[in-house]
Amino acid sequence: QQQVKQSPQSLIVQKGGISIINCAYENTAFDYFPWYQQFPGKGPALLIAIRPDVSEKKEGRFTISFNKSAKQFSLHIMDSQPGDSATYFCAASYSSASKIIFGSGTRLSIRP
Amino acid sequence: DVKVTQSSRYLVKRTGEKVFLECVQDMDHENMFWYRQDPGLGLRLIYFSYDVKMKEKGDIPEGYSVSREKKERFSLILESASTNQTSMYLCASSETAHTEAFFGQGTRLTVV
Repeated sequence: QQQVKQSPQSLIVQKGGISIINCAYENTAFDYFPWYQQFPGKGPALLIAIRPDVSEKKEGRFTISFNKSAKQFSLHIMDSQPGDSATYFCAASYSSASKIIFGSGTRLSIRP
Repeated sequence: DVKVTQSSRYLVKRTGEKVFLECVQDMDHENMFWYRQDPGLGLRLIYFSYDVKMKEKGDIPEGYSVSREKKERFSLILESASTNQTSMYLCASSETAHTEAFFGQGTRLTVV
C-alpha cells in the first residue's frame, strides 16, 4: 500500500497559536518523510524532513513528530504567523524506489 | 539558484488533441517526476524517471505517456486530451528519493 493519508483538509488558526497537521502511512518500507509548503501560484518547496530513526526534528518554529509504531507523523507550527498561510503536504519515500508519494494536502489559514 | 522550468504556465487545448508538457532541470538530477494537483486530492504521481530513457508508472498513468531522451528534460504527453485531464501539472526533480525534490511552477491545463 503506497498511500499517505493526511488530515485535516483545511485548518484555521489564530496568530500565535499552534498549527498541527497529521499524516499516516501504511507501507513500513517508507524511510524518509518530508513536508512541503506551497504558496498560491508556486510549486511546493521542502520545509522540513525526518527519517524514522528519530522521533522528533525541529527547525525554528517547525517540528516534525514521528511515531514509528503507529505509522504516523505530524507537523507542528509554533507561534503561527499570517505568512505561514499556505498548503502543506506530507510525503513519504523509500530507498529501493525513486518515487515520492504525497498526502492530499492541508490548506492552512492563520487569522491575524 | 536551482531551477525546474516548465514550458507553459497556462495551456488550453481541445478534446482529442495530443498535448506535450515540457520540463527542464539544471541540477543534473537523476530523478524526475510528473504530478497532477487537484483540490482535495493532493499531488498524484503520474510517471517518474530515474535515468535517461527509464520510466516507471505512478499511481495514475492512464491516458499519459512520458519521454526522457536527455537527463535534463522530461516530457509528459497526453495522447488524446480529455476534459477530465483538466488540472494543474507539476514537474519535479531530485537527486535521490531521500533528498529535496525541486518543483517547477506548474502548468495549468484546460481541456475544452
